[in-house]
Amino acid sequence: SYELTQPPSVSVSPGQTARITCSGDALPKTFAYWYQQKSGQAPVLVIYEDNNRPSGIPERFSGSSSGTMATLTISGAQVEDEADYYCYSTDSSANRGVFGGGTKLTVL
Amino acid sequence: QLLESGGGLVQPGGSLRLSCAASGFTFSTYAMTWVRQAPGKGLDWVSSINDSGDGTFYADSVKGRFTVSRENFKNTVYLQMNSLRVDDTAVYYCARGPFYGSGRDPYDASDFWGQGTMVTVSS
Repeated sequence: SYELTQPPSVSVSPGQTARITCSGDALPKTFAYWYQQKSGQAPVLVIYEDNNRPSGIPERFSGSSSGTMATLTISGAQVEDEADYYCYSTDSSANRGVFGGGTKLTVL
Repeated sequence: QLLESGGGLVQPGGSLRLSCAASGFTFSTYAMTWVRQAPGKGLDWVSSINDSGDGTFYADSVKGRFTVSRENFKNTVYLQMNSLRVDDTAVYYCARGPFYGSGRDPYDASDFWGQGTMVTVSS
């Protein structure tokens, strides 16, 4: 079955660039989306359709996708960006949504 | 806004119905999705329903046990959960899916979520 693979953890110092990857065989044909989930809170959409930022999301968040890999980039990561990040895509052959396993971003 | 309710403690094999009341947007023009998160684990897509309610989609792990439905005149989506198992224990979130005119599949990404309701399956 279709899976999205993320690294379990990424760690950066404040002001550095954090990159979180998401790999999946169908990503060349489908969009990737990224959610941020802070402890005890509901997820928030931070990137949609590979590289678009919803209103209210800081410009330091950006996305890209090439081949079977999508990447969430946080340029100049802040302490408040510490959270779990999940990629999401669809498996049209099975009519279902798919989440990556999540990446815990530590900024300290 | 999305407000889930109906969670609680249930024994294995039991049933529970979750509700999600929507406000602040034209409910009948959006697909809706349920996502769950087991304690300490990642997000898990459960089910989606299209804007009119005649298209439903399920994860293999819940197919045949869970049923998603909606009442557009009440701005509410439901998740009927039967034959519950210990591994169904999770926070269940409802989320707004794609707009009906977007051309996207109903199980495509959601743009905002409720705060979730906890379901505990235990004897």
